[in-house]
Amino acid sequence: AQSVTQPDIHITVSEGASLELRCNYSYGATPYLFWYVQSPGQGLQLLLKYFSGDTLVQGIKGFEAEFKRSQSSFNLRKPSVHWSDAAEYFCAVGTQGTYKYIFGTGTRLKVLA
Amino acid sequence: NAGVTQTPKFQVLKTGQSMTLQCAQDMNHNSMYWYRQDPGMGLRLIYYSASEGTTDKGEVPNGYNVSRLNKREFSLRLESAAPSQTSVYFCASNPQITGELFFGEGSRLTVL
Repeated sequence: AQSVTQPDIHITVSEGASLELRCNYSYGATPYLFWYVQSPGQGLQLLLKYFSGDTLVQGIKGFEAEFKRSQSSFNLRKPSVHWSDAAEYFCAVGTQGTYKYIFGTGTRLKVLA
Repeated sequence: NAGVTQTPKFQVLKTGQSMTLQCAQDMNHNSMYWYRQDPGMGLRLIYYSASEGTTDKGEVPNGYNVSRLNKREFSLRLESAAPSQTSVYFCASNPQITGELFFGEGSRLTVL
């Protein structure tokens, strides 16, 4: 069965520290991979996506993610976290032609001043 | 350009009542989706419509029905609401070419 796992429910980092949010997937075909961010009371906004090609993808707000097929992972990183990055982050997976997108359970990020 | 618009934003129902959540997108997207978001469970796909005239079940379709009225509109109906359907519901659309989902602001539903 298709699945997406975000093993960290909550993460707390200090402002200026580096960040890595983990995402593992189980998918039969070559996946499309996404990271979305949700601020409190808001809808979801796309941070970045991977379809093919370069396995290191750059997104908005200084985020990047690396697709590692051998580890079935698509971890999100940021070199230096800002207080405004506090939000909930969701990893999602889809495949071409199915138009069906499955989300992980999310990781809530808290940033300490 | 409004993007994805959901109505209503808030609704309180009693057990057994029915209601319809409306969703409209003005981006000429082919695919549309309904998700529910519950604490600790992320977003779970209820139904989706890959294109006008088609609908398919997602992960949690029980207790819901959908209608793809036209290319713009995709409604979600609760025929007999249950407390377990208390949730925040998100509609999304997808142009298919880019794969990105565009989300509405959500509809918070409480079933007493």
